[in-house]
Amino acid sequence: NAGVTQTPKFRVLKTGQSMTLLCAQDMNHEYMYWYRQDPGMGLRLIHYSVGEGTTAKGEVPDGYNVSRLKKQNFLLGLESAAPSQTSVYFCASSYSGRLTYEQYFGPGTRLTVT
Amino acid sequence: GQQVMQIPQYQHVQEGEDFTTYCNSSTTLSNIQWYKQRPGGHPVFLIQLVKSGEVKKQKRLTFQFGEAKKNSSLHITATQTTDVGTYFCTAGGGNKLTFGTGTQLKVEL
Repeated sequence: NAGVTQTPKFRVLKTGQSMTLLCAQDMNHEYMYWYRQDPGMGLRLIHYSVGEGTTAKGEVPDGYNVSRLKKQNFLLGLESAAPSQTSVYFCASSYSGRLTYEQYFGPGTRLTVT
Repeated sequence: GQQVMQIPQYQHVQEGEDFTTYCNSSTTLSNIQWYKQRPGGHPVFLIQLVKSGEVKKQKRLTFQFGEAKKNSSLHITATQTTDVGTYFCTAGGGNKLTFGTGTQLKVEL
């Protein structure tokens, strides 16, 4: 089991460029999440998905789009990157249900926008 | 949405000293989770507390959930260098978690 994997690990973009971050999980989890982590601010939820074909906005969704075409994959897109999007991005997944379940995190993608 | 505050933001201890971080919410929490993130790593789940007044132990780590379910604490006895990292509490609402700002622990030999 690879768990949660993220591609790429590092990326440098110029302002205005676009890119897609890929998250994949092999645990058959229904729920998947994208977070960003900035110094001193903990993790903030960008978007999440409660199942294949569904997405929802989190706390800081502006400037990002997501898609969940397959259950095991969750893509995060930046259409026009801005320096304020320089951050470390984490993907996570969890089981679904009435209870709150632990989230399994990927290793992260460090993105710099110049 | 729910907000959780953690104190202290940083803690620097000598190896062998104890360490405590506190998590506070202005609203009643259905549950609380704790995660640890090593430097350069990703958050890793430690434990979940659900019941009022609940206390759980994992070796040298003791987790408590307040009676009013508005606060929680993580206590580490006799810290070791392997305890270095940032400890986050989270407030759960269904499967959407709100992370606290974290407490960064540094352990000096």
